[in-house]
Amino acid sequence: QVQLQESGPGLVKPSETLSLTCTVSGGSITNYYWSWIRQSPGKGLEWIGYIYYSGSTNYNPSLKSRVTISVDTSKNQFSLKLSSVTAADTAVYSCARGAVGSGRYYEFDYWGQGTLVTVSS
Amino acid sequence: DIQMTQSPSSLSASVGDRVTITCRASQSISFYLNWYQQTAGKAPKLLIYAASSLQSGVPSRFSGSGSGTDFTLTISSLQPEDFATYYCHQSYSTPYTFGQGTKLEIK
Repeated sequence: QVQLQESGPGLVKPSETLSLTCTVSGGSITNYYWSWIRQSPGKGLEWIGYIYYSGSTNYNPSLKSRVTISVDTSKNQFSLKLSSVTAADTAVYSCARGAVGSGRYYEFDYWGQGTLVTVSS
Repeated sequence: DIQMTQSPSSLSASVGDRVTITCRASQSISFYLNWYQQTAGKAPKLLIYAASSLQSGVPSRFSGSGSGTDFTLTISSLQPEDFATYYCHQSYSTPYTFGQGTKLEIK
């Protein structure tokens, strides 16, 4: 059974960089798309971006200037960096797997439990 | 961006009821529509993908239909564990977007 687990600081100061890592267990990181998604009361579910295991990325234009997603296939991990954060970036951040191939169309079939990141001084 | 609009935003129903939730896309998304169930404090769980395909392990009382811009999620006979929030999601084009959610409550 594939499992995803987010890790990283739960509190980040304004103007600093939010950094999170998602560790994938029970399956390989190869041949899938890996996304970061956040959820806040004010904005609902917001897709941040994805990385393919090969390293190609696609970011939400609303966050593109501040987002970097990277992958480490040797560790079965991928990571999120969001720079210049403000209180508006306070949310539960989740990682998720995008299914592809054999009649699958990029739906998120496995999710991490999510981690609350609060932006505050 | 493709806007996803769900209706209703909330719904009260009883165990055994048949309920339908709708999702409308601001432009055609073919069949690239997925449905998730989220209970308090947990990650969303995939129920339906590609508009009408049932995810493995999901009870058959859940079904999805539609194509183009209009989609529905139907629960044929509500069970106590089905009271949750439901989201639609388009994976037709990036940025991927979600509906605002439908909260299903016990009447």
